[in-house]
Amino acid sequence: DAKTTQPNSMESNEEEPVHLPCNHSTISGTDYIHWYRQLPSQGPEYVIHGLTSNVNNRMASLAIAEDRKSSTLILHRATLRDAAVYYCILNNPGGSQGNLIFGKGTKLSVKP
Amino acid sequence: EPEVTQTPSHQVTQMGQEVILRCVPISNHLYFYWYRQILGQKVEFLVSFYNNEISEKSEIFDDQFSVERPDGSNFTLKIRSTKLEDSAMYFCASRGGLAAYNEQFFGPGTRLTVL
Repeated sequence: DAKTTQPNSMESNEEEPVHLPCNHSTISGTDYIHWYRQLPSQGPEYVIHGLTSNVNNRMASLAIAEDRKSSTLILHRATLRDAAVYYCILNNPGGSQGNLIFGKGTKLSVKP
Repeated sequence: EPEVTQTPSHQVTQMGQEVILRCVPISNHLYFYWYRQILGQKVEFLVSFYNNEISEKSEIFDDQFSVERPDGSNFTLKIRSTKLEDSAMYFCASRGGLAAYNEQFFGPGTRLTVL
C-alpha cells in the first residue's frame, strides 16, 4: 500500500475549524483515501473516505487535491471529544480485502 | 446503532498458555478482521476473513495464531502459546458490503497481558 505522511501532532481550540493534512505523493489511480480516528482507550473509528471528489458527512469534510497527492481532513468546529489520533490511510480495493495499514497518525489536542 | 463487541475486555495469562479472544461482528457483515496495537505503537493488521476462510494475513500472523467463525455470530482469535511480546490490545473489525472501501467497524478491544 502507498505511504502517507502526516504531522505527528496538532493543536486546536474548541469550536474552531481544524485542517489535518496528509501527503500521499505515491498514490495510485485506484487508491481510496480513508480517514479513521482513535479516541483515547478506544478502537479506531471510521471518519470519511473519498477517491477524487471532495466529500462531506456528518463528522467531517475531506478535501482532495486535484492531483490526489495530498488531502485534508476538515473538522468544522472542533470539540473536546474530537481529541484523538487521526489516521490517513490509502486502500486499493482491487488489491486487498480492505485491510487497513495504519501509520502513526496525527495526535490532535483540543484546548477549551 | 449496531456495534462490534469483544470479550473479555482484559485477559491476563501466563506465557505459554493458550488464549481465545472473542468478537461478535455486526450481524449482516461479511468481512472480518483482527488488528493489534502494542502499547504506544501503531495499529497493525493481523488477518482478514471472508466466506469462512482467511483472505489475507500479515507476517505477524504466524502458526501460533488462528481464527475461526464457529457459529453464525462469533469470530475468534486464538493464540496457541502466548509470548510476552503478544501483550497488546487486540481489535476486531467487521465490514458489510462487497466494496473493500466500505468502512470498517471496530470493537472496543481486548487488552491481553502476558506474564
